[in-house]
Formats: sequence, C-alpha cells, structure tokens
Amino acid sequence: RKEVEQDPGPFNVPEGATVAFNCTYSNSASQSFFWYRQDCRKEPKLLMSVYSSGNEDGRFTAQLNRASQYISLLIRDSKLSDSATYLCVVNTNFGNEKLTFGTGTRLTIIP
Amino acid sequence: DTAVSQTPKYLVTQMGNDKSIKCEQNLGHDTMYWYKQDSKKFLKIMFSYNNKELIINETVPNRFSPKSPDKAHLNLHINSLELGDSAVYFCASSPRGGLSYEQYFGPGTRLTVT
Repeated sequence: RKEVEQDPGPFNVPEGATVAFNCTYSNSASQSFFWYRQDCRKEPKLLMSVYSSGNEDGRFTAQLNRASQYISLLIRDSKLSDSATYLCVVNTNFGNEKLTFGTGTRLTIIP
Repeated sequence: DTAVSQTPKYLVTQMGNDKSIKCEQNLGHDTMYWYKQDSKKFLKIMFSYNNKELIINETVPNRFSPKSPDKAHLNLHINSLELGDSAVYFCASSPRGGLSYEQYFGPGTRLTVT
C-alpha cells in the first residue's frame, strides 16, 4: 500500500461548483498533514496545513479523520484560478521532517 | 527577492556526462532538501540536510552526491547520467522545528538526458 494515496483525477468542474478531494495515508503514527498546490510546470506551494479539529481558509476547508486515516480538501465557489494539481502531504517520519507527497489530484475549472 | 533559487533552470545533456545543480535559499532556514519529480509527476524526496549535516538519504544511486558548503546552499552532483535521470529536480528549505514544517520550493531544474 502506498504511504499516501490520492485519486489522480482529472476532475473537470464548472466554475462556481464545490469540489472535494480525499487522500488516505498508511502510517497511523503520522503527525502532520498538508495540502500543497502545484501549477503546471511550477513548484509546489503550501495551500494549507490540516489540523485535527479541521480548518478553513476562505473558500478552502481541510479535514482530518485519524480513525479512518484520511484527509480531505473542500473547495467552494471554485474559480478558474483554482485549476492546478493538489498534493496531499503527510509527515511520515515525525521529528525527521520528512514529507511524503501523494501523486496529486488534477483539477480543471471549466468556465 | 527569490527565496529559494536553483540553477540552471534547464539542463540538457548526454548519457554518461557529469552535471551539477545548485540551490540557494535566503530565508535563513536550517534544513534543505532535494526532490525528484518524474514524468508521472510523483514527487519523491532524495536528500535532506540540516545545518550542513545529512539527515535523510533515501534509496538513491550513489551517482547522486549532495554537497552543502553552508546552511544556505545545497548542491546536487550527478555522475554518469542515465536516461532514467530525466526529471524535474526541486530544491526546498524549511525552518527547523515548529509545527508547520512548511517547505519552500525552488522553481525546479528540468533535466533531460539524451
């Protein structure tokens, strides 16, 4: 089983719609969780950290379910500029600052 | 103003050659990384240095040798390049400690081995 698993997509979603991605991780001892965003031919950039209680940043909501070992990202009122690949990232070696990246979910927002 | 910079941005070379990629960060971070992103877009860590000391060394051929002359620089030297080394190589840095472990990535070096 992969350490971090995501549906690669692509997800083609009309502008203004709500879209959600899930990601599962295999190491129950994982402590830190993140969503990164990567635009085409660009470097990954942190979108948001994922906290146990769930957290929201504008149109973006991240949730963590430790019992089922998955994290989710919800994007409301999607914009054309949200088109990107969303990478699920897990710290699988707590204390050693090693991040394991999922393969990413590709999202395209359609006008 | 660039936080994490890499040179060169593009590198095209023939099999068997030796090449280096340079990385510099001006964020004052203690930890730096090298990642490889292959054609399937899978981003995998190769090495991590903390304050010039190697702390993560994933299963990478010993043709790849990182060098950190100081904590702001982490270079990657590759000997005897192979076709399978073609990928985008990203350098990243992060502050030591803290809860966020956010990593800041450089723009990447697109390596093509012919």
